[in-house]
Amino acid sequence: GAVVSQHPSRVICKSGTSVKIECRSLDFQATTMFWYRQFPKQSLMLMATSNEGSKATYEQGVEKDKFLINHASLTLSTLTVTSAHPEDSSFYICSARDPRTGVLHSYEQYFGPGTRLTVT
Amino acid sequence: RKEVEQDPGPFNVPEGATVAFNCTYSNSASQSFFWYRQDCRKEPKLLMSVYSSGNEDGRFTAQLNRASQYISLLIRDSKLSDSATYLCVVYKAAGNKLTFGGGTRVLVKP
Repeated sequence: GAVVSQHPSRVICKSGTSVKIECRSLDFQATTMFWYRQFPKQSLMLMATSNEGSKATYEQGVEKDKFLINHASLTLSTLTVTSAHPEDSSFYICSARDPRTGVLHSYEQYFGPGTRLTVT
Repeated sequence: RKEVEQDPGPFNVPEGATVAFNCTYSNSASQSFFWYRQDCRKEPKLLMSVYSSGNEDGRFTAQLNRASQYISLLIRDSKLSDSATYLCVVYKAAGNKLTFGGGTRVLVKP
């Protein structure tokens, strides 16, 4: 099946610094990728939808200037958490849609293993 | 009101027993429904889709009730390895995105 990777798997950074998380589709070209955030004991919340070659679409309440998303190629999307603060500490998960599954299965997403961010 | 709601549990289940739990969704325009499984500190993984007529995959049975806007998951002959958080997920074509419930935690004990 389709595989999605994320890097790094875990990162600890100091408050005020920026952190970049990469999401790669390994065996397919993903025109659409999604970024989720999951706080402890809570469910996944969609942050934004990343479309290759265009601006990301952010969900309500997500600051686009703080969470910069770049989807410069069909296999890579990046999320940069700028000026990170302790409240940004969370589990960030990306997913990608495999266009080969066709329109009928446009809901199928393959999830990356997640990146655990800790801001001290 | 949350768009997708689940009993957080935990459901403590003796090994070999049956456990069932529901998920309710608020948007009647929801089109597709899924159960995902998430292990601690891991990404969610698709367990099964939920079809209108109900469907079974081994020990797992999923049901959809559109009139009452809920889906259910039943696990028979529970195994220790079934211990996980089960996420109810709803898809709407408008918006083209998945919405996750808060998850139901299941603990299977010997």
